[in-house]
Amino acid sequence: GNSVTQMEGPVTLSEEAFLTINCTYTATGYPSLFWYVQYPGEGLQLLLKATKADDKGSNKGFEATYRKETTSFHLEKGSVQVSDSAVYFCALSAPKTNFGNEKLTFGTGTRLTIIP
Amino acid sequence: DTAVSQTPKYLVTQMGNDKSIKCEQNLGHDTMYWYKQDSKKFLKIMFSYNNKELIINETVPNRFSPKSPDKAHLNLHINSLELGDSAVYFCASSSTVYFYGYTFGSGTRLTVV
Repeated sequence: GNSVTQMEGPVTLSEEAFLTINCTYTATGYPSLFWYVQYPGEGLQLLLKATKADDKGSNKGFEATYRKETTSFHLEKGSVQVSDSAVYFCALSAPKTNFGNEKLTFGTGTRLTIIP
Repeated sequence: DTAVSQTPKYLVTQMGNDKSIKCEQNLGHDTMYWYKQDSKKFLKIMFSYNNKELIINETVPNRFSPKSPDKAHLNLHINSLELGDSAVYFCASSSTVYFYGYTFGSGTRLTVV
């Protein structure tokens, strides 16, 4: 079956540090890959996505590149801010096998805390 | 305008009670979902509906019963609540025609005492 493995948290960094959150996946076919962010007390928000190999998703200074050869989609940011403190989820969507059966498989989430 | 709205935001109730959570989306999506998030933030899909038809029904106790009166609404009714049902429940929606991921509601924190 499909699965997503994220690096375990929590991750604590100082402001302006470089961030990497690792994500690897197992899937049949060619999945689409996503990063979602959950701020305290809120729902999940789509941060970025990539739909095919070598695609780079980017948003708010975050980037992730779809690497088929290593089945990875690591999240990176060059200089983190206190406001980036949140839980980050990697997810994949496998190609639909029947109409309407689109399902996201989520990783376990990585809690990120940025200290001033 | 909230895209996916859930009510209530907080729900505290006693064991054995029956409660409902409502979800509505105004995005024109045709698929809606219920997810359960436990205290460790792990997300587990419970149900998925496409155009009012049940598509995904994961291993969920039959005390949980979803109902979709139309494709913009997906409600969750829970009978005989148990302590282990305490969690945050998220509703989400997506489009099968232009799938770009899910849009989530802000969640309902259910506490069973």
